[in-house]
Amino acid sequence: GAVVSQHPSRVICKSGTSVKIECRSLDFQATTMFWYRQFPKQSLMLMATSNEGSKATYEQGVEKDKFLINHASLTLSTLTVTSAHPEDSSFYICSARVSSGLAYEQYFGPGTRLTVT
Amino acid sequence: AQSVAQPEDQVNVAEGNPLTVKCTYSVSGNPYLFWYVQYPNRGLQFLLKYITGDNLVKGSYGFEAEFNKSQTSFHLKKPSALVSDSALYFCAVSSYSSASKIIFGSGTRLSIRP
Repeated sequence: GAVVSQHPSRVICKSGTSVKIECRSLDFQATTMFWYRQFPKQSLMLMATSNEGSKATYEQGVEKDKFLINHASLTLSTLTVTSAHPEDSSFYICSARVSSGLAYEQYFGPGTRLTVT
Repeated sequence: AQSVAQPEDQVNVAEGNPLTVKCTYSVSGNPYLFWYVQYPNRGLQFLLKYITGDNLVKGSYGFEAEFNKSQTSFHLKKPSALVSDSALYFCAVSSYSSASKIIFGSGTRLSIRP
């Protein structure tokens, strides 16, 4: 079956530093990937849509200069949290849409827990 | 814009009893509907989806859901609950016209007591 990985699974960083999270589709190509964040005991909020070879589309209220997204290949999208602050601590989950598949064929990664101290 | 409502923050059921977790949606065009489960400190696990066809969808771990177009609902059900079903459940919606964005409901915490 289709597998999406995320690296790292958890990361702790100091306030003011930047952190990069990778999302990879392991056995399929993904033209489009999505990034979500989840606060404790809350739902997943869509942050942005990442399209291979083009700029990401951010949801309303998401700072694009703070959450940099790069989708340089058909199997890799990265989310960089720049100048992280404690309020950026969250669970970040990506999903990948199968390039040759139907609109609803998406698979989720296992998530990355970011803690900013 | 598409949206999903899960009216219950928590559902409590005794083991062996049937369970229902409610979900209603709003979307332009034909909906793609999903249920996911999340265990503590874990990612999402896919349970089932409705795309087209039979309104009753069967999924993993004995769960099923019924698509009701007139009521714009997609309630999750299981005939006999297990303690191990205790987790956080998310209903989600997408559509062809939404460029495949999946929007999640607020989640319902299911607690099964022995």
